[in-house]
Amino acid sequence: EAGVAQSPRYKIIEKRQSVAFWCNPISGHATLYWYQQILGQGPKLLIQFQNNGVVDDSQLPKDRFSAERLKGVDSTLKIQPAKLEDSAVYLCASRDLRTGKDTGELFFGEGSRLTVL
Amino acid sequence: DQQVKQNSPSLSVQEGRISILNCDYTNSMFDYFLWYKKYPAEGPTFLISISSIKDKNEDGRFTVFLNKSAKHLSLHIVPSQPGDSAVYFCAASRGRGSTLGRLYFGRGTQLTVWP
Repeated sequence: EAGVAQSPRYKIIEKRQSVAFWCNPISGHATLYWYQQILGQGPKLLIQFQNNGVVDDSQLPKDRFSAERLKGVDSTLKIQPAKLEDSAVYLCASRDLRTGKDTGELFFGEGSRLTVL
Repeated sequence: DQQVKQNSPSLSVQEGRISILNCDYTNSMFDYFLWYKKYPAEGPTFLISISSIKDKNEDGRFTVFLNKSAKHLSLHIVPSQPGDSAVYFCAASRGRGSTLGRLYFGRGTQLTVWP
């Protein structure tokens, strides 16, 4: 079974520029999450999707961050304009909520490391 | 607002000995707890979990203990191996349904197992 795919793995931009990250979850996983992990901290949830609907975006800085999952499969997270404090690893995760398959576990991708100069 | 706390940023243990990683939480509504392991340049991978209806869960060399009254859980690794060297994250959630399954993570503990 293929894991959660993310791209790009690394991105360096200057402040005020824009950047987009892509995530393709494990096939069949209806729930998709974007987490931000700043160096030395644990992952923090930015947004949670159930199929193509937003379940929780309370921690998403909506003035500069946006995310979409138009067809309920892959997802894009965009930052525009970027700030220095956005330097972090952006982790995508998915979860299988089908009856009998949900273990409560989130499956994470390798992450996209963003450096804002 | 750190609802899950791992107060030890690092732990160093000799191979073959026991590693004990600790985690505290503040939200009494949390009812499901997980440990994730993370190697450099990789995403976190699930290790072991425990529901609040239990006080112990074991999987091979890994055992998680939950003390609800103290809002404390610990991960025991016995015996520790060099390949266990990684960052360990404690995570907690309220319920497992789609709207409540959000995970709150601690800052992580870097475990180093030396030969």
